Amino acid sequence: NAGVTQTPKFQVLKTGQSMTLQCAQDMNHEYMSWYRQDPGMGLRLIHYSVGAGITDQGEVPNGYNVSRSTTEDFPLRLLSAAPSQTSVYFCASSKDRGRGTEAFFGQGTRLTVV
Amino acid sequence: RKEVEQDPGPFNVPEGATVAFNCTYSNSASQSFFWYRQDCRKEPKLLMSVYSSGNEDGRFTAQLNRASQYISLLIRDSKLSDSATYLCVVNRKAAGNKLTFGGGTRVLVKP
Repeated sequence: NAGVTQTPKFQVLKTGQSMTLQCAQDMNHEYMSWYRQDPGMGLRLIHYSVGAGITDQGEVPNGYNVSRSTTEDFPLRLLSAAPSQTSVYFCASSKDRGRGTEAFFGQGTRLTVV
Repeated sequence: RKEVEQDPGPFNVPEGATVAFNCTYSNSASQSFFWYRQDCRKEPKLLMSVYSSGNEDGRFTAQLNRASQYISLLIRDSKLSDSATYLCVVNRKAAGNKLTFGGGTRVLVKP
């Protein structure tokens, strides 16, 4: 069972570089989201999507873009990497069950911007 | 004020003991509540949901107090394998089904 797959697991970027973090799920979930986790801050929502073709901003969207062309894929693009974007990034997906849903997470991407 | 607040701990717990900790949420429109477990450098995983007045799953009991806007997690007969960070999560479907996470409570179970 693949679940939610994130790539890469580790990445080092230089300031100003761009890159795309990949996320794919095989559970036919409508909801997908991206979080970043920093020490002492918990998980903070970057962007989310309620279905293919629909995306919206979360709590900390600046410096990131997303798109949702298919139900399965939800890539996160860093436009011009900054040291403040050094973090662990998690992608999650969930099925709408009406009263709140269990989220399934990918294994995370550890990003360092130097 | 953060929307979801937790005591970061750590809670140092002797093996076999009981530990309990709370999570407070500020938005009264929150409608679904969860406890997630996160092991060091791993992804969060659902431990249990709390939909009504409480939920029990083996050694774990979660309680919801809507009047005071908090949920709690109690772990009985603690095992070494219970050492982890426990994340409190709330959901508001009206807010696009977004999950809001607390900062986590770290639990260390020691022999």
